[in-house]
Amino acid sequence: AQSVTQPDIHITVSEGASLELRCNYSYGATPYLFWYVQSPGQGLQLLLKYFSGDTLVQGIKGFEAEFKRSQSSFNLRKPSVHWSDAAEYFCAVGAGNAGNMLTFGGGTRLMVKP
Amino acid sequence: DVKVTQSSRYLVKRTGEKVFLECVQDMDHENMFWYRQDPGLGLRLIYFSYDVKMKEKGDIPEGYSVSREKKERFSLILESASTNQTSMYLCASSFYRGGSPLHFGNGTRLTVT
Repeated sequence: AQSVTQPDIHITVSEGASLELRCNYSYGATPYLFWYVQSPGQGLQLLLKYFSGDTLVQGIKGFEAEFKRSQSSFNLRKPSVHWSDAAEYFCAVGAGNAGNMLTFGGGTRLMVKP
Repeated sequence: DVKVTQSSRYLVKRTGEKVFLECVQDMDHENMFWYRQDPGLGLRLIYFSYDVKMKEKGDIPEGYSVSREKKERFSLILESASTNQTSMYLCASSFYRGGSPLHFGNGTRLTVT
């Protein structure tokens, strides 16, 4: 069975600073990988996804993520954080034909300092 | 845009009550899911359905059941609510199985007293 670890429960960055949120997964083959964002009181919104091909994936709101098979990682990055990026971020992995059965990490709560 | 609507944002129920959480999607999606969200645990899959009248257990089905009588509607049922079922419940849908992204509702925060 697949699993996902987000090592950082909370992260605080200053507005304008760069951001990297870590995600490590466990799965035997090439997984489907996703990042979702959840603003307070809202459901989850898809930021980006990786299925195959180019290991650097661009998403919405200026986010990108890089799939590194050797490290079993799929870290989310943004070069310059805006105050509106404060939210909770979830990494998720799906497996093969059952790709919709996503396993989620515990989430990372991002706070942005003015 | 896909819309997944959960009928209640907040619910307060008493221990032992039967609780229904309703979810409707408007995009003719085949697949529907119920997740539970708790701090530090992320989202955990309770039940899912790939077709009408079809259901499969997820990772934490105990104490829950589901119903899918129509394609657009997926209901989560707590047969006898307990305080450890106090949580945020999220419904999601997707178009096809192989890696199709999930579209989430805004969640129902259930408190069982």
